[in-house]
Amino acid sequence: AQTVTQSQPEMSVQEAETVTLSCTYDTSENNYYLFWYKQPPSRQMILVIRQEAYKQQNATENRFSVNFQKAAKSFSLKISDSQLGDTAMYFCAFMKQGQGAQKLVFGQGTRLTINP
Amino acid sequence: DGGITQSPKYLFRKEGQNVTLSCEQNLNHDAMYWYRQDPGQGLRLIYYSQIVNDFQKGDIAEGYSVSREKKESFPLTVTSAQKNPTAFYLCASSTGPRRTRNEKLFFGSGTQLSVL
Repeated sequence: AQTVTQSQPEMSVQEAETVTLSCTYDTSENNYYLFWYKQPPSRQMILVIRQEAYKQQNATENRFSVNFQKAAKSFSLKISDSQLGDTAMYFCAFMKQGQGAQKLVFGQGTRLTINP
Repeated sequence: DGGITQSPKYLFRKEGQNVTLSCEQNLNHDAMYWYRQDPGQGLRLIYYSQIVNDFQKGDIAEGYSVSREKKESFPLTVTSAQKNPTAFYLCASSTGPRRTRNEKLFFGSGTQLSVL
């Protein structure tokens, strides 16, 4: 079974700073996807970024980028030039690739607060 | 607009009562999922369905039941056997068995269930 661990329950930074959220996972699979989801106070789950394990290049989406270290089973999220709207819970998630249901396994989440 | 609709947004359950949470999608997705979120925690999988008339238990299925009579609909019933039903419930969908290169889950806006 896969497990996902987020070791930082809460983080807080000033607006415009850069912040990195940590995520580690455990799996025996070789092909999989990793995700970061954002959950603002509205509680809507919003996909931030997605990484395919077979790709060595780290995914980026505007101010959001990941540091994917497959051998270390590490998948951190970097938010550059943080904005007040980035305040939210952030969840790291794992999905096995291949046939079968596209089930997500989630970490416990990191509550990120951006201060003005 | 295509998406996932969950209703109601808030639901209250009396002792010994069964309640049903609605989830409808118009994304033409084959697979649908129900997740439970407790305060300050990640999401845990309750049930999932890959195709119509078929569904499987997730990690915390006890006290819950589902049906999948139509592709668009995947209602979740919280039975009286679920002794701690207070939680936020999220429905999601994905392409399912017909895999794509853009694997990800789409989420509804959730239902908060509380016990009276």
